[in-house]
Amino acid sequence: GENVEQHPSTLSVQEGDSAVIKCTYSDSASNYFPWYKQELGKRPQLIIDIRSNVGEKKDQRIAVTLNKTAKHFSLHITETQPEDSAVYFCAASMVENFGNEKLTFGTGTRLTIIP
Amino acid sequence: DAGVIQSPRHEVTEMGQEVTLRCKPISGHDYLFWYRQTMMRGLELLIYFNNNVPIDDSGMPEDRFSAKMPNASFSTLKIQPSEPRDSAVYFCASSLPLGSSYNEQFFGPGTRLTVL
Repeated sequence: GENVEQHPSTLSVQEGDSAVIKCTYSDSASNYFPWYKQELGKRPQLIIDIRSNVGEKKDQRIAVTLNKTAKHFSLHITETQPEDSAVYFCAASMVENFGNEKLTFGTGTRLTIIP
Repeated sequence: DAGVIQSPRHEVTEMGQEVTLRCKPISGHDYLFWYRQTMMRGLELLIYFNNNVPIDDSGMPEDRFSAKMPNASFSTLKIQPSEPRDSAVYFCASSLPLGSSYNEQFFGPGTRLTVL
């Protein structure tokens, strides 16, 4: 089955600086890569996702890049703000026409923004 | 829609007791997922359903765990008998059906289970 590794496990960044979280996956058939944000005591929520037919996707201060050859993808947060402090999870899935396959999650990165 | 609804939000029980967690998915979502989250093991998929049918239960830790989905608007996760190592936050999530180009899983608020 799919295996997703995520690094680093913790990350502290000065407010205003950029943060980068990296993930690798094992199954070359995976074609859908979402990122979820979980604030303390809250539920995970999708913040951005990317499919294998594109190499990069941006949404305001958040961007995700995908390298299918190397089987890794990354989350980039620019101009970090205190509300970006949370645990971030990457995930991988093989979404086919006949259904939604399960997500395999990484182990999470605890991001702390230092004011 | 109110989103995914889970009950109870908190459950404290003693070892050996039966625990039942409940989930109501978002109306129109054909997929329902049960996850367990702990500090040690992170976010683990236990089982997921498509159109009320269990598709993959390979993540269910052992026979003490069982899940059902009797209809499109209700699912249960049962632990019997419960053990202290089952203490965790259990999340239910649902997602859009076949053919949708949007695969976001919407999580419920979770049930924090403590087994003494």
